[in-house]
Amino acid sequence: GAVVSQHPSWVICKSGTSVKIECRSLDFQATTMFWYRQFPKQSLMLMATSNEGSKATYEQGVEKDKFLINHASLTLSTLTVTSAHPEDSSFYICSARDRAGLPPGNTIYFGEGSWLTVV
Amino acid sequence: AQTVTQSQPEMSVQEAETVTLSCTYDTSESDYYLFWYKQPPSRQMILVIRQEAYKQQNATENRFSVNFQKAAKSFSLKISDSQLGDAAMYFCACYDYKLSFGAGTTVTVRA
Repeated sequence: GAVVSQHPSWVICKSGTSVKIECRSLDFQATTMFWYRQFPKQSLMLMATSNEGSKATYEQGVEKDKFLINHASLTLSTLTVTSAHPEDSSFYICSARDRAGLPPGNTIYFGEGSWLTVV
Repeated sequence: AQTVTQSQPEMSVQEAETVTLSCTYDTSESDYYLFWYKQPPSRQMILVIRQEAYKQQNATENRFSVNFQKAAKSFSLKISDSQLGDAAMYFCACYDYKLSFGAGTTVTVRA
C-alpha cells in the first residue's frame, strides 16, 4: 500500500526554539495533506488542511503564525512549530490524500507520527 | 460544519464474541466517505474499513462490517469473532473536503 513517511519520529527542543516536522508521500502524489495533533487518550484534532501550491487552511483556534504549514511539492508538506513552549508538547500526525482523489481503491494514508517534547 | 460523534468511550468484548461500535456524523456535503481507523499503542493509524456515501451496500472486510444508515447519518462498526489483537482505540472518521474524527472508542478484548 501507499506509504507516508513522517520525520522525525521523536524530537526534543528547548523552549523558544522552532522545530520542523516533515511529511512525505513516498509512492504517490498528494495534492492534499492534513495535520493533526493528538493528546494522550484523545482524538485526532485537525489543525490544518494543506493543499499543494497554496496556503494552508487552518481550523478555528489554531494559530497560523505559530504552526506554519508549507506544502511546496506534491510529495512534501512541513509543519514548523515556532517559538515552541512546553504546552506545544504533543503527538503530531500527518495524513495525505492521493492526487487521484478517493475513487474506489484509493484512500487517505497516515504517517507514523512525531512526538514533540518542549523542555 | 462537519462533526463526528462516538458516544462509547470504552467497550469490552469476550474473545470470539461480537462487538458493535457506534458512530454518527453530520456533513452538508452530498459526496463524502466514511472510515473506521484502528490505533494501537504504537499510535500508527490503521485503516479498518471504508464506505463511500453513494454506495448503499454496507462495506465488509473479513471480520469487520459496517451498518451504514445514510438517512440517519449513522455508521456503526461490527467486529465479529473478536481477537486479542483487535484491542485498540477505534476512530470513526468522515471525509468530505477534510477528514475529521470522532472522539474514539477504546476496545478491550477479554481472553
